[in-house]
This record gives sequence, C-alpha cells and structure tokens, in this order.
Amino acid sequence: AQKVTQAQTEISVVEKEDVTLDCVYETRDTTYYLFWYKQPPSGELVFLIRRNSFDEQNEISGRYSWNFQKSTSSFNFTITASQVVDSAVYFCALSEATGGGNKLTFGTGTQLKVEL
Amino acid sequence: DTAVSQTPKYLVTQMGNDKSIKCEQNLGHDTMYWYKQDSKKFLKIMFSYNNKELIINETVPNRFSPKSPDKAHLNLHINSLELGDSAVYFCASSRGQGPDTQYFGPGTRLTVL
Repeated sequence: AQKVTQAQTEISVVEKEDVTLDCVYETRDTTYYLFWYKQPPSGELVFLIRRNSFDEQNEISGRYSWNFQKSTSSFNFTITASQVVDSAVYFCALSEATGGGNKLTFGTGTQLKVEL
Repeated sequence: DTAVSQTPKYLVTQMGNDKSIKCEQNLGHDTMYWYKQDSKKFLKIMFSYNNKELIINETVPNRFSPKSPDKAHLNLHINSLELGDSAVYFCASSRGQGPDTQYFGPGTRLTVL
C-alpha cells in the first residue's frame, strides 16, 4: 500500500529564511507520481507541482524548488527567502500509475508559519 | 471563471438530517472526486467518478451516496448525518483517470450539531 510521511508537523521561520519541507513516500509501483499542494488559511487546496517517478531532475519555480531522490524515496520542497504569504499547510501526495484509479494518498501536512 | 466550484461553502445541520453538497467543474475534465478533510487536516479520498461511472469507493459508509448526472457534476448526498461527519469536503477533477493532476474546489465545511 502507498504511504506518504511528512514528519514535520509545524515549522516556524522568520521572513527571508529558507525552509525545507520533508516528504518521504512508500510505494511498490515503479511508476508513480508525486505532488505538492498548498492550503493557505483561506482553506482552498492549491496545486504546486507534479513529478513522475522517471524524472529525477530537480525543479525550480521562482522561490520554490523541489528535490526528488528515488534512492531515499523523498520529494522535499524548499522555499527560498520565505515570505509571510507562504504561511500555509503544505501537503505532499502520491498517486500510483497502475490500479490506483488516480487515488491521491496525502501526507499529514506541514504547517508553515512565516513571521516578520 | 471558477474551475471547480462547490455549494454550499458552509453547511450547519442537526444530527439525523439528510444533506447534499454540489460540485461542478468547467475544465472539461472526465474524472471527479470527493475527499474528506478531518479536524486534524488529514485528507482522504472517498469517491471517484469517470464519465459518470464510479471508479473508486473507499470504505465509506453507505449513508454517503455520490451522484454524477453528467461528467461536469458530482454531487454528494449524505443521509442520517452523524457528529463524526463534521469535516471539510473537497471536490476535485482531473483530465482522465490516470495520474493526472487533480484540481480542487474551495471546500464545503459541514458541521453536524
């Protein structure tokens, strides 16, 4: 069965600090997809990134970057120069390519608080 | 234009009542989902429909019945509401039933008194 672990329940940083959110996953499939979603205080779920298991290249989008390492089954998310608007709960999620019906399995989320 | 919309945004009701939550997507997607987020913010899939056909049914009590009149709509009807049903319910859609990105609606906060 697939599983996603986000060991950091809550992280507090001061604005402009860099912060990394950890995500470790378990799956028996060789083909799978990993996602990050952001849930700001307003409550909606905002898609950030989708990465398939064959693409281990790191990705950067503005202040956001993602480090995918199959060897350690991790898909970590770094925010550079954090801002107060980054305060949110961040969810990592996994979808298996076969037989899963595109079921997203979510981690328990990491609450990020960015303070002035 | 809102891509995935849900109504109502808030729903407060008494135990034992029956209620429905509606979801619509204008993305032209074939697959729609319902997820439940509990008080600890844990998100878990409940149902998935592809072109009006049930694909995923995750050990949800049969008091919950999804209905898909067409591929742009997926409604959730809940009978005999219980206190434990209080949660935020999210609708989502994706292009197909493969591992495509799911886009979520704003959520419906259900409170059962």
